[in-house]
Amino acid sequence: DTEVTQTPKHLVMGMTNKKSLKCEQHMGHRAMYWYKQKAKKPPELMFVYSYEKLSINESVPSRFSPECPNSSLLNLHLHALQPEDSALYLCASSQDRSGIYEQYFGPGTRLTVT
Amino acid sequence: AQSVTQPDIHITVSEGASLELRCNYSYGATPYLFWYVQSPGQGLQLLLKYFSGDTLVQGIKGFEAEFKRSQSSFNLRKPSVHWSDAAEYFCAVGAGGTSYGKLTFGQGTILTVHP
Repeated sequence: DTEVTQTPKHLVMGMTNKKSLKCEQHMGHRAMYWYKQKAKKPPELMFVYSYEKLSINESVPSRFSPECPNSSLLNLHLHALQPEDSALYLCASSQDRSGIYEQYFGPGTRLTVT
Repeated sequence: AQSVTQPDIHITVSEGASLELRCNYSYGATPYLFWYVQSPGQGLQLLLKYFSGDTLVQGIKGFEAEFKRSQSSFNLRKPSVHWSDAAEYFCAVGAGGTSYGKLTFGQGTILTVHP
């Protein structure tokens, strides 16, 4: 099974709300990723977790807070977002972080900030 | 730093015609190269990958790609396109060193298939 699941599929939130995105994989992968994708653009890396530790933060604003509670689960906590944060948020996983392993992507969460 | 260029923003082909999507990369060492496909509003699906060895790589859905080190290219091909191939295609290069795990994507090529 090469599936990465993401919930919710769609999320609408106001600028003062707090919400979370959830990502899960059961492939035994030890690296997990968050990407942000704006319309008609490629995905942009936000965070990389390796063995449940944050390895890469691509200078993401603190209103985005990642969390990796265990090897199968990755969360993205959202607080005080701006309308320009509206995008498709993609989660991915790979066997490890070495770059030689392909990343498997989830279907994404479509986020709208009002 | 690595980079990927997909020169064609939009390509239109007729169903049954052959297809070639271009990808050029810039990377200091041996690159890890990938092609992904994305349908509207969906996640990315891996078509194929190249790490080493045979420079002609076979993927899913009848796609293949050829790695040419001398041209820094990794072009995607399909001999006969189906209407269901209409989607956006991304070429990506994987990084090593302290950026292990970082995928850098090209800007994407949108494929339209005419019946």
